[in-house]
Amino acid sequence: QVHLEEAGPGLVRPSETLSLTCDVSGASVSIYFWGWVRRPTGRGLEWIGRLYNSTTSLNYNPSLKDRVELSMNTIQNQFSLRLSSVTDADAGVYYCVRVWPPYFYALDVWGQGTTVIVSS
Amino acid sequence: FVLSQPPSASVALGQTVTLSCGGRNFGNENVHWYQHRPGQAPVLVIYDDDDRPSGTPIRFSGSKTGNTATLVIGSAEAGDEADYFCQVWDSRLDLPVFGGGTKLTVL
Repeated sequence: QVHLEEAGPGLVRPSETLSLTCDVSGASVSIYFWGWVRRPTGRGLEWIGRLYNSTTSLNYNPSLKDRVELSMNTIQNQFSLRLSSVTDADAGVYYCVRVWPPYFYALDVWGQGTTVIVSS
Repeated sequence: FVLSQPPSASVALGQTVTLSCGGRNFGNENVHWYQHRPGQAPVLVIYDDDDRPSGTPIRFSGSKTGNTATLVIGSAEAGDEADYFCQVWDSRLDLPVFGGGTKLTVL
């Protein structure tokens, strides 16, 4: 069974960079599609981006692409998110997910989520 | 949001509720539905319009016709109270797009 777990600081100062990691167990991070979704406070789900096989297939939400960087560490079987120049609008819960092509690219596995607060 | 969903819906305990998702001609796109309970991770409850992952109760069913996809929850239980989001994979942008979500209240 695939299990995802997010980790990272819960508090980020405005204009600084948010860094999160997602630890993957039950599957190799190098052979599936993985991504990040967030739920800003009081709003709906928002796609951030996805990666596959380290850097061969990266895709970002156009509204965030100038600030987002995704990466993968196959040795530690994890993938990461960096979001620069954060503002209040970036506060919320961040989830790492698996994108499952056999389910027509549904997001079939989700981490429990990590809450991010933006405050000085 | 690219997909439109009513912001709220309610259903009496044991009754049936239909949640809708629209705003575009789905054509060959596959619609997925997620249940998001407060404080928990979202859960995929329907994929490919009408398929249930293992673990989704048979009370949950999905369908799609033209410009509208629907999620039907039968014999509603207190635990069904959650936000429900629809989603498709936009092949042009190569990313998923979500509806704004419907907050379901079980009375």
